[in-house]
Amino acid sequence: KQEVTQIPAALSVPEGENLVLNCSFTDSAIYNLQWFRQDPGKGLTSLLLIQSSQREQTSGRLNASLDKSSGRSTLYIAASQPGDSATYLCAVNSGNTPLVFGKGTRLSVIA
Amino acid sequence: DAGVIQSPRHEVTEMGQEVTLRCKPISGHNSLFWYRQTMMRGLELLIYFNNNVPIDDSGMPEDRFSAKMPNASFSTLKIQPSEPRDSAVYFCASSLEGDQPQHFGDGTRLSIL
Repeated sequence: KQEVTQIPAALSVPEGENLVLNCSFTDSAIYNLQWFRQDPGKGLTSLLLIQSSQREQTSGRLNASLDKSSGRSTLYIAASQPGDSATYLCAVNSGNTPLVFGKGTRLSVIA
Repeated sequence: DAGVIQSPRHEVTEMGQEVTLRCKPISGHNSLFWYRQTMMRGLELLIYFNNNVPIDDSGMPEDRFSAKMPNASFSTLKIQPSEPRDSAVYFCASSLEGDQPQHFGDGTRLSIL
């Protein structure tokens, strides 16, 4: 059974810092991996999707990498801003099975 | 372009009552997912549909939970009878296909007293 773990559970950084969020999964036979953002009281917004054949995806200040063999992904946020404060969730898709989510990392960027 | 629409946004009811949550997926999306989110367990898939047909309901906690998708533009999740431990945020999501990015609604915050 696929399990997804995210470390740390919470992170607080000063504005302007670069930061890395970690995600690990137990079964490397995945189809794709997604990173989501969740603001308080809101649903999830998809940030990046990495296919299993890809190593990374970039969108603006966000860069997500995938090392399928070791069961790891990282989300890199450059030059963090207070508006980046949210919970970030990682989820993996193993083909016909639905997404399995981690419990998220709660990020606070302090001005 | 409307996203996934869920109603109600908040529901407070007494245990034993029937609760019905509603979802309108994005037009043209073939897959629909119901999730439950709690602090303890995080985000868990309850059931998902493809082309209105339930594909995997193994996440449905027990017989008190049921879900239907009578057409491509509407789905319901029903809890009868409700219990305090059902209190959570329930999300609906849709995607073009099961392996495509999922688009989430804003959720229904359910409190069972």
